[in-house]
Amino acid sequence: QSVLTQPPSASGAPGQRVTISCTGSSSNIGANYDVHWYRQLPGTAPKLLIYGNTNRPSGVPDRFSASRSGTSASLAITGLQAEDEADYYCQSYDSTLSGLHYVFGPGTKVTVL
Amino acid sequence: QVHLQESGPGLVKPSQTLSLTCTVSGGSTSSTDHYWNWIRQTAGEGLEWIGRIHTTKSTNYNPSLKSRATISIETSKSHFSLNLTSVTAADTAIYFCAREDGLRGFVFDYWGQGILVTVSS
Repeated sequence: QSVLTQPPSASGAPGQRVTISCTGSSSNIGANYDVHWYRQLPGTAPKLLIYGNTNRPSGVPDRFSASRSGTSASLAITGLQAEDEADYYCQSYDSTLSGLHYVFGPGTKVTVL
Repeated sequence: QVHLQESGPGLVKPSQTLSLTCTVSGGSTSSTDHYWNWIRQTAGEGLEWIGRIHTTKSTNYNPSLKSRATISIETSKSHFSLNLTSVTAADTAIYFCAREDGLRGFVFDYWGQGILVTVSS
């Protein structure tokens, strides 16, 4: 059971906009910890898409953007393309009595219609 | 370009110890700006962070693994390793090693391709 919640799926036609939410709590996103986003194509490792809530690594197109507010974060993909079909994961930190550890959302499968 | 490669047995018997190694090239495991992590992925549980190690040999682990995991590092050989004891079928997963960049908010910026480990007799 993930401490971060994502919708299992999202879809859109080519050229449309898709948003993916990542909902946490006061022990993770709400504690002002950074949220990062990864994209995973079938049979490959996750690849960094967004870091530090809003920042794109070199080479990631500006069609991808993200934000964080309160206990949630979201990823937006504009100008949807066929190559965007993948699983998308959010990641943050969670603070418990056992210490700080990293947590991932369950992933959202994006389908291009 | 940093490259990470996992290696180890693809099949482990229940109750035994799972041992994996991650070899790093194009980057230094001696860097003080980075941590070296193990992460696994199962169909049922998704991505799960196992733990990390720094060049100073400082480690952090996911409390859910109840002290079964141990990560070590050999900076002279540019590799780090994972030992997971008392494995069960629930430990069957794809295991990834990943670099964590402390300069960009402790994000996993480079990943290995992953290695499938099956726990079965």
